[in-house]
Amino acid sequence: NAGVTQTPKFQVLKTGQSMTLQCAQDMNHEYMSWYRQDPGMGLRLIHYSVGAGITDQGEVPNGYNVSRSTTEDFPLRLLSAAPSQTSVYFCASRFWTNTGELFFGEGSRLTVL
Amino acid sequence: EDQVTQSPEALRLQEGESSSLNCSYTVSGLRGLFWYRQDPGKGPEFLFTLYSAGEEKEKERLKATLTKKESFLHITAPKPEDSATYLCAVQADAGNQFYFGTGTSLTVIP
Repeated sequence: NAGVTQTPKFQVLKTGQSMTLQCAQDMNHEYMSWYRQDPGMGLRLIHYSVGAGITDQGEVPNGYNVSRSTTEDFPLRLLSAAPSQTSVYFCASRFWTNTGELFFGEGSRLTVL
Repeated sequence: EDQVTQSPEALRLQEGESSSLNCSYTVSGLRGLFWYRQDPGKGPEFLFTLYSAGEEKEKERLKATLTKKESFLHITAPKPEDSATYLCAVQADAGNQFYFGTGTSLTVIP
């Protein structure tokens, strides 16, 4: 199994540009989520989804959009990138049970100039 | 407010020198407490889930314990390959979110 796959691994953008970070999982997980990781801040939840067609905001949603058209895919869109969005982004998924561990992708390092 | 605090921020150990990492939490009803290992440039890798006070889990040189206010990750006779950042996270009874601490960076010197 590939698990959680994120692309691209590295990206450099200019302020105002848009892009999409891709996330795919092959574990049939209902729950998918996006986190950002910044030095000294820990992992912070951006958006999450509990199934196809259902999304909700996390702790730091501003500047990001998501959609969930299939169980497998959960892309994260930056519509107008800002330097404050320079970060490492992780996609994570899990089964939608009462509790269960998150499985993470390898991360996407984004730099906004 | 749900919150997770990890200490120390960084820890250097000699190979074979046992120690413990701390994760203290405040949450309105604990659904689960999770420990992850993160290597540089990689995503967090799941280690343990603890559900209730008094519970313990072990894996090789690692042992996680849980009380009502904190969790400890005990590392017995560590090896250089145990060097990594260890993250703690909690899931509250209410809501779908996991709250992560900022991690402890462990370096084991040969």
